[in-house]
Amino acid sequence: AQTVTQSQPEMSVQEAETVTLSCTYDTSESDYYLFWYKQPPSRQMILVIRQEAYKQQNATENRFSVNFQKAAKSFSLKISDSQLGDAAMYFCAYRSRPQGGSEKLVFGKGTKLTVNP
Amino acid sequence: DTGVSQDPRHKITKRGQNVTFRCDPISEHNRLYWYRQTLGQGPEFLTYFQNEAQLEKSRLLSDRFSAERPKGSFSTLEIQRTEQGDSAMYLCASSWTGGGNTIYFGEGSWLTVV
Repeated sequence: AQTVTQSQPEMSVQEAETVTLSCTYDTSESDYYLFWYKQPPSRQMILVIRQEAYKQQNATENRFSVNFQKAAKSFSLKISDSQLGDAAMYFCAYRSRPQGGSEKLVFGKGTKLTVNP
Repeated sequence: DTGVSQDPRHKITKRGQNVTFRCDPISEHNRLYWYRQTLGQGPEFLTYFQNEAQLEKSRLLSDRFSAERPKGSFSTLEIQRTEQGDSAMYLCASSWTGGGNTIYFGEGSWLTVV
């Protein structure tokens, strides 16, 4: 079974600075998806960024980028120019590719990000 | 395009009572998922449907839990004989098989069992 580990329960960053959230995962599969989701307090979970394991290029979405190290099974999220609205719980998640793999997302326990003005 | 809608948003019930949650996915989405999230934890997978077929169930889904998606549109999650350990947020999500496999979540239904 796949597992996802987020070793930082809480992180803080100054507004406009850069922060990196860590995620490691364990799987025997060679093809899969990785995601970062953001969950603001009392609000719905939204997708921040996704990465297909077969792609060597790291995904980027505006101020958000990932460092995907497949051999090390590491998938960190970098938030540049942090904004107050970035404050939230961030969850790393794993999903098998379709065609026989499970459709479920496997989540880590999350990292609570605080942005200080 | 309306998002994933869940109802009720909050439910307080006495132990032993039955509760039902409803989820309306994004209209063109053929896949629908249920997750459970307790405080301080990430969501845990419960079950998923493709159209009306329930294709995968977690061992977390005990015999007191049942989910349906009768016409391949909305879904219900029923918990019978609720226990205090069922207190959690129940998240619904949906996706489209042709949509890059991105899963969209609703705002969740909070259950408190007293």
